Amino acid sequence: QSVLTQPPSVSAAPGQKVTISCSGSSSNIGNNYVSWYQQLPGTAPKLLIYDNNKRPSGIPDRFSGSKSGTSATLGITGLQTGDEADYYCGTWDSSLSAGQVFGGGTKLTVL
Amino acid sequence: QVQLVQSGAEVKKPGASVKVSCKASGYTFTGYYMHWVRQAPGQGLEWMGRINPNSGGTNYAQKFQGRVTMTRDTSISTAYMELSRLRSDDTAVYYCARAKGLDRRGYFDYWGQGTLVTVSS
Repeated sequence: QSVLTQPPSVSAAPGQKVTISCSGSSSNIGNNYVSWYQQLPGTAPKLLIYDNNKRPSGIPDRFSGSKSGTSATLGITGLQTGDEADYYCGTWDSSLSAGQVFGGGTKLTVL
Repeated sequence: QVQLVQSGAEVKKPGASVKVSCKASGYTFTGYYMHWVRQAPGQGLEWMGRINPNSGGTNYAQKFQGRVTMTRDTSISTAYMELSRLRSDDTAVYYCARAKGLDRRGYFDYWGQGTLVTVSS
């Protein structure tokens, strides 16, 4: 069971918008920065968003991130079939067993 | 350009150990923490721990304490992760990932290609 909670799956049509939620607690999301990763089938994860809402160079502005309290959200607009992937949120957990924690992942299907 | 190249797939018997390498290039190896993350078949990402390549200092996830050892060789810009007393549920793809930022502001900007470790009798 993952420390951060994500919906197992989301779906939307090409061109539409989708959001993926990531819920945590005060020891992780509430007091630390969130990052998001995209994992295409059979490949390593790729950084999409860091510091809650910043995009690395080369990531299109169709991808956005936000954080409020102990939850974070990844938004994807103008969906493309190439966006079909698993998406993971991640952050630092400052509890006694400090370390990086991830959500369980969300499978995005572009119908 | 930054690259993390991992060693090849391994098949091990229960009780054995495995050592995975991660060779870094395109940046100053000692300037960034290296983390190890694993992914069991069909499952999510699981953090195992990290090493400071400059000092050699390590932090391990509680789950792996006593079974995992992370080391580095700065002369060849390579990080290693050794997992001992392997069980069938250690079957997974193991990734190294470079960390940008530290702790609460840390994130993984580059990942290795992954190394499949299969534990089977």
